[in-house]
Amino acid sequence: GAGVSQSPSNKVTEKGKDVELRCDPISGHTALYWYRQRLGQGLEFLIYFQGNSAPDKSGLPSDRFSAERTGESVSTLTIQRTQQEDSAVYLCASSLWSSGANVLTFGAGSRLTVL
Amino acid sequence: GEDVEQSLFLSVREGDSSVINCTYTDSSSTYLYWYKQEPGAGLQLLTYIFSNMDMKQDQRLTVLLNKKDKHLSLRIADTQTGDSAIYFCAGALDTGRRALTFGSGTRLQVQP
Repeated sequence: GAGVSQSPSNKVTEKGKDVELRCDPISGHTALYWYRQRLGQGLEFLIYFQGNSAPDKSGLPSDRFSAERTGESVSTLTIQRTQQEDSAVYLCASSLWSSGANVLTFGAGSRLTVL
Repeated sequence: GEDVEQSLFLSVREGDSSVINCTYTDSSSTYLYWYKQEPGAGLQLLTYIFSNMDMKQDQRLTVLLNKKDKHLSLRIADTQTGDSAIYFCAGALDTGRRALTFGSGTRLQVQP
């Protein structure tokens, strides 16, 4: 597609439930990133995929968080046993980065509210 | 402390210049970036600067980089109400992580 697409745009769930957030990157972009943005705060890095390399999971806040990416296409971020502190906007970005500036293109985000 | 720091809020009058500042810690980033986030939207790249440059100008935007002081700034000339948004600086900091590290964002409010 023309841009990075995320779904759902809004998700309300009850504490303890599992949620899945989906990201469709720009076709051909080898790198894919997940960030979390809590209300009124900056972006918190979660995980980074680059081609077939092992993902950089150093930003995942707990073992309740996991992400997968199929080849160089769709990625799914899964949060198990959601907690209220997981409420945030989850932003996905992709880039075509081989050399030069690494320009990230962001999706509009998935707003997660945990009641 | 924070890897990338920004002031939280800036208010200017329409037509004035806005200067948004950013300081960062040790950086191996070859490029430094400015992103803009409008309400309810994702981040949009505004501009970036190569680390061996001191200044880059792009229409109403001027980026200044002081590598010695690890200070980056974004100047918006003739600020318009449509420039009201949150502005983030970002770079690939020396944390062993290839993804970009973002500052906490500066909310720019432009008053008519």
